[in-house]
Amino acid sequence: GIQVEQSPPDLILQEGANSTLRCNFSDSVNNLQWFHQNPWGQLINLFYIPSGTKQNGRLSATTVATERYSLLYISSSQTTDSGVYFCAVDSPRSQGAQKLVFGQGTRLTINP
Amino acid sequence: DAGITQSPRHKVTETGTPVTLRCHQTENHRYMYWYRQDPGHGLRLIHYSYGVKDTDKGEVSDGYSVSRSKTEDFLLTLESATSSQTSVYFCATLGYEQYFGPGTRLTVT
Repeated sequence: GIQVEQSPPDLILQEGANSTLRCNFSDSVNNLQWFHQNPWGQLINLFYIPSGTKQNGRLSATTVATERYSLLYISSSQTTDSGVYFCAVDSPRSQGAQKLVFGQGTRLTINP
Repeated sequence: DAGITQSPRHKVTETGTPVTLRCHQTENHRYMYWYRQDPGHGLRLIHYSYGVKDTDKGEVSDGYSVSRSKTEDFLLTLESATSSQTSVYFCATLGYEQYFGPGTRLTVT
């Protein structure tokens, strides 16, 4: 099945810094989502982005489907951005029903 | 927010007892999923459903069963809980995007 690899596994930054999180995947995708899991454990949708670029405030994401990667950009980081960021994908070649495959996540810590 | 609720939110139970976790959604989504999340393993799919009475196994289905008798409800049952099933359990639905419920923290002592 499709493989998803996220990097870096851990990232520690000062408030105000910018960051780039990467998600590599091993096959074509028809669904790619970025999630943020906050320190209270809640999983929050950030972007549905199987291709192209989207922006939402200080966050933006780009997926280059032909090169099988997606990037999540966080600008002017705030302490509330801390948590774990997951990339998840589904491939049109996956057997059975629609199922997202998750990467292991990037743990982001923003220090004041 | 896809209107997903999970109950209970926290549960402590003893080894060998049956446990049922409930997921309820209000968006009429066809697909529903149960995941478990453990340190070092990320999110792993236990079972999923693609319609009423239509379910299938995920990657970590041993020791779990599911049922879906109504579109809005998806139940996860641990027939005889073991300490290895101590985890945080998330329900999710898939509409245009996948949405997660708030999670259930289960401790098996």
